[in-house]
Amino acid sequence: DADVTQTPRNRITKTGKRIMLECSQTKGHDRMYWYRQDPGLGLRLIYYSFDVKDINKGEISDGYSVSRQAQAKFSLSLESAIPNQTALYFCATSDAGTSKFETQYFGPGTRLLVL
Amino acid sequence: SQKIEQNSEALNIQEGKTATLTCNYTNYSPAYLQWYRQDPGRGPVFLLLIRENEKEKRKERLKVTFDTTLKQSLFHITASQPADSATYLCALEGHSGYSTLTFGKGTMLLVSP
Repeated sequence: DADVTQTPRNRITKTGKRIMLECSQTKGHDRMYWYRQDPGLGLRLIYYSFDVKDINKGEISDGYSVSRQAQAKFSLSLESAIPNQTALYFCATSDAGTSKFETQYFGPGTRLLVL
Repeated sequence: SQKIEQNSEALNIQEGKTATLTCNYTNYSPAYLQWYRQDPGRGPVFLLLIRENEKEKRKERLKVTFDTTLKQSLFHITASQPADSATYLCALEGHSGYSTLTFGKGTMLLVSP
């Protein structure tokens, strides 16, 4: 089984809808991240969490919120989806708290289309 | 502000040749520099990490150099194969234990048979 899983893998929604993307990991890592990737713009950090009680905004947090339900689970919500949130979303984990290096392990991605 | 530059144009090479990809950065003093591989529609996969005080790192057919004076890293794939075709991302990490990674936009490598 994959160490970092994301659900759903594909999602089509309409403008104004609230949606949630979920991420689970079995790596036992404390740190979790949400990125979005757009053609030509690369990976951009939305939110990150260094442990269950820690939530931090990334580069592009407007329009998004997160919840860290447990060490293994980190969810991303779009409160009111808009078309420019159409993108490929990745969850990632790292064990930098113990290993010192911020090597990240990515999930398979969620492709989101907002109509 | 911090800026990471990777060649946006795809690199096309023939099988068996050495591929060299470049990562330049400005307004940053990274403690570590990492390289990731990303296949279309998939998440990036970690390849190599090099520390600021290391000049070169090797792993099988991969070699990374890190020049903090030039603010540049070179990523080499020797004896390239069509299976090496992918997008390669560099990522920088700061000195703080609370740093996150800053990714470049990546360079696509196409290895033709």
